[in-house]
Amino acid sequence: QVQLQEWGAGLLKPSETLSLTCVVYGGSFSGYYWSWIRQPPGKGLEWIGEIHQSGSTNYNPSLKSRVTISVDTSKNQFSLKLNSVTAADTALYYCARVPPYWYFDLWGRGSLVTVSS
Amino acid sequence: QSALTQPASVSGSPGQSITISCTGTSSDIGSSSYIFWYQQHPDKAPRLIIYDVSDRPSGVSSRFSGSKSGNTASLTISALQAEDEADYYCSSYRNINTVVFGGGTKLTVL
Repeated sequence: QVQLQEWGAGLLKPSETLSLTCVVYGGSFSGYYWSWIRQPPGKGLEWIGEIHQSGSTNYNPSLKSRVTISVDTSKNQFSLKLNSVTAADTALYYCARVPPYWYFDLWGRGSLVTVSS
Repeated sequence: QSALTQPASVSGSPGQSITISCTGTSSDIGSSSYIFWYQQHPDKAPRLIIYDVSDRPSGVSSRFSGSKSGNTASLTISALQAEDEADYYCSSYRNINTVVFGGGTKLTVL
């Protein structure tokens, strides 16, 4: 059974870079896009972006200038970097699998990232 | 990018039916068959319940149904049960190569 697990630093200061990795266990990495989605405490979902095993990416236009998503197929994992964070980036960050097309059928449990001085 | 518009809350009694609307634009819902709905219980990850406007993944109850008219998509839950109490999010493909979510709707089963 395929499972996704996020990991990374949970507490950042303003202006630092958020860095998270999602490991895909128990299934094929190929044939899918892999996505990052975030949810501020008590608020709704926001799509951050996605990456294909080939390295092709798509990003949310509102975050594109600060986001980089990369993939390491040898380790069945993909990563998120978000630079120049502020308190507004405090959220639960989910990784998710994206079958064709554009929906999320498997989700990780989420990784809470807090930005505070 | 602006979110799709959902009502903040809806409620219904057990056994009743409710409908949650999701309004977008001609750049997303109006021009897309890639419309999805997710259910999220407290402290849980979202769960896909409708894909491609009206299809249900395996294991999702037939009490959940989806539809679309113009720039508005809808999720209907029939024969409400206590376990349906959750937050519901719509989502759509938006030109070009992006995804947008609705703001979420809290369903209360009275």
